[in-house]
Amino acid sequence: DTGVSQDPRHKITKRGQNVTFRCDPISEHNRLYWYRQTLGQGPEFLTYFQNEAQLEKSRLLSDRFSAERPKGSFSTLEIQRTEQGDSAMYLCASSLQEGDEKLFFGSGTQLSVL
Amino acid sequence: SQQGEEDPQALSIQEGENATMNCSYKTSINNLQWYRQNSGRGLVHLILIRSNEREKHSGRLRVTLDTSKKSSSLLITASRAADTASYFCATDEWDSNYQLIWGAGTKLIIKP
Repeated sequence: DTGVSQDPRHKITKRGQNVTFRCDPISEHNRLYWYRQTLGQGPEFLTYFQNEAQLEKSRLLSDRFSAERPKGSFSTLEIQRTEQGDSAMYLCASSLQEGDEKLFFGSGTQLSVL
Repeated sequence: SQQGEEDPQALSIQEGENATMNCSYKTSINNLQWYRQNSGRGLVHLILIRSNEREKHSGRLRVTLDTSKKSSSLLITASRAADTASYFCATDEWDSNYQLIWGAGTKLIIKP
């Protein structure tokens, strides 16, 4: 068990391009979360999976954002037609099960949109 | 939306001193958690306190919760240079068991 891993660590892209991030949670964890964090702010909830089911998506999240978790293992977060306002740290976290609220975070993917 | 509000926004103290950070929130909660984040890294869970608990200890950490005032405090005793980080409180909304709401954090600097 090496913890939650995210790839890539850094991504620089041009406005209008699509980007995809990957998260591998701790293997026995069935809950997976995506958060976004900008400098000087706390994490902002994006979406949540219980196994392969996406149970909640932030009402603030643009339709350009989509996430998947096929087979309930790793997850991908795709941003289409990126905008400069998408520049942020994208954090993935996992937790073991219902009733265990402690989150384990990956190191994040820092996205810069030029 | 952010539920928690940390106070102060930044804190700088000498190594060996105690550091106290406060968090206020707006709605009823099931529990409150504190996390630490080193610069440019992910967050690390420190401690969780449930709504029916008033105080909890873990090593050099002491957390209190006052549900009547909707506030919590995190005390780090005998601070070390390695404690330099940002500290965030996170609360869960009463009707949701999977969405944590985060404050903007307190940036703690420990001077050697």
